[in-house]
Amino acid sequence: ETGVTQSPTHLIKTRGQQVTLRCSSQSGHNTVSWYQQALGQGPQFIFQYYREEENGRGNFPPRFSGLQFPNYSSELNVNALELDDSALYLCASSLGLQGTETQYFGPGTRLLVL
Amino acid sequence: SQQGEEDPQALSIQEGENATMNCSYKTSINNLQWYRQNSGRGLVHLILIRSNEREKHSGRLRVTLDTSKKSSSLLITASRAADTASYFCATPRRNTGNQFYFGTGTSLTVIP
Repeated sequence: ETGVTQSPTHLIKTRGQQVTLRCSSQSGHNTVSWYQQALGQGPQFIFQYYREEENGRGNFPPRFSGLQFPNYSSELNVNALELDDSALYLCASSLGLQGTETQYFGPGTRLLVL
Repeated sequence: SQQGEEDPQALSIQEGENATMNCSYKTSINNLQWYRQNSGRGLVHLILIRSNEREKHSGRLRVTLDTSKKSSSLLITASRAADTASYFCATPRRNTGNQFYFGTGTSLTVIP
């Protein structure tokens, strides 16, 4: 157990809908990163939040957006869902921005878009 | 886009044998990390090797890094059924510390 939790665990949506995924970071961690993992692929970096500000974004369209709250928990919002958004969404928390700080991943939210 | 590529894509061995996975990456890095993922769930950090290190050990894990070839290998010795998982290498995105590119992964099956 890493102390990082994600909700919900599974979700089914239809194309065009909107979805919000949630991540509670490990106690004391101020950095949350979100990744998308398609079936059979490695995770792809979506964006990162550090102390409530976006701190870097991968190659994802603006319909992917996020928030980080004062308690450092985070949300990932996806608007206008497309079939290709079906994936496992992972969040990872860490203390700070150093690459040598261990990242702790949550169990993920599996999203299916029909 | 994927920064790294793992090789082989899949590996099946008997319990007690050693498993070796390789990772190649594209850009210069200051560290490389290996992660394990069980059954499409969360990733678990295994080991980090810095760019000025050539080899690192942690329990039954041995990682090597060759920055001239932009490659790394992960060796799991005396494998166990519980080692069955997917293994990924990860390298930091340019000018970042902990925003990572992950490879495509090696799926390891250890047969009891």
